[in-house]
Amino acid sequence: DTAVSQTPKYLVTQMGNDKSIKCEQNLGHDTMYWYKQDSKKFLKIMFSYNNKELIINETVPNRFSPKSPDKAHLNLHINSLELGDSAVYFCASSQDQGRNQPQHFGDGTRLSIL
Amino acid sequence: GESVGLHLPTLSVQEGDNSIINCAYSNSASDYFIWYKQESGKGPQFIIDIRSNMDKRQGQRVTVLLNKTVKHLSLQIAATQPGDSAVYFCAEKTGGSYIPTFGRGTSLIVHP
Repeated sequence: DTAVSQTPKYLVTQMGNDKSIKCEQNLGHDTMYWYKQDSKKFLKIMFSYNNKELIINETVPNRFSPKSPDKAHLNLHINSLELGDSAVYFCASSQDQGRNQPQHFGDGTRLSIL
Repeated sequence: GESVGLHLPTLSVQEGDNSIINCAYSNSASDYFIWYKQESGKGPQFIIDIRSNMDKRQGQRVTVLLNKTVKHLSLQIAATQPGDSAVYFCAEKTGGSYIPTFGRGTSLIVHP
């Protein structure tokens, strides 16, 4: 059973379009995250939600808007896509906001902007 | 600013050898460390963690060593197998923060 699942796995679209990535976790975790991984494999936190509430919003363009309809889902909507948005986006979850807990990651969504 | 980094971006080993992946961290306030494995096309997968009140922790074929004096973390993989080929990340957390800071990653290549 997939613990953290993201859709779609691949997303190819043109500059200027709007797209969404969905994430669901079936682990019963309270906290969810979005990360961006660049071509050099560097993982950068974008957002974190705890029980549907935004708790971390790193320096991310406001074209990126996360939405959490319930604590098992954290979707990412991106407006006016730019070439620099090309990357792999990972959703993750953890039990709660506790410090000493690993995160569980989805398999990523590879976004390519033409 | 504070950062977590890796000494070797690529490590090539023969099947059956032991592998050691190193990680340097600069934030002396870090108190929790995690190693992740990322296979091609997959997300990072938790391998092992260690708290700052320990200097060694063992799992199945893996051992994590923490040297707080020199702010160094290592992951040892015994009897490395082709399935161990992946990118390995260390991550740290500091007191008061629950978002880990990830290092740059080391690519481990295991030759049969």
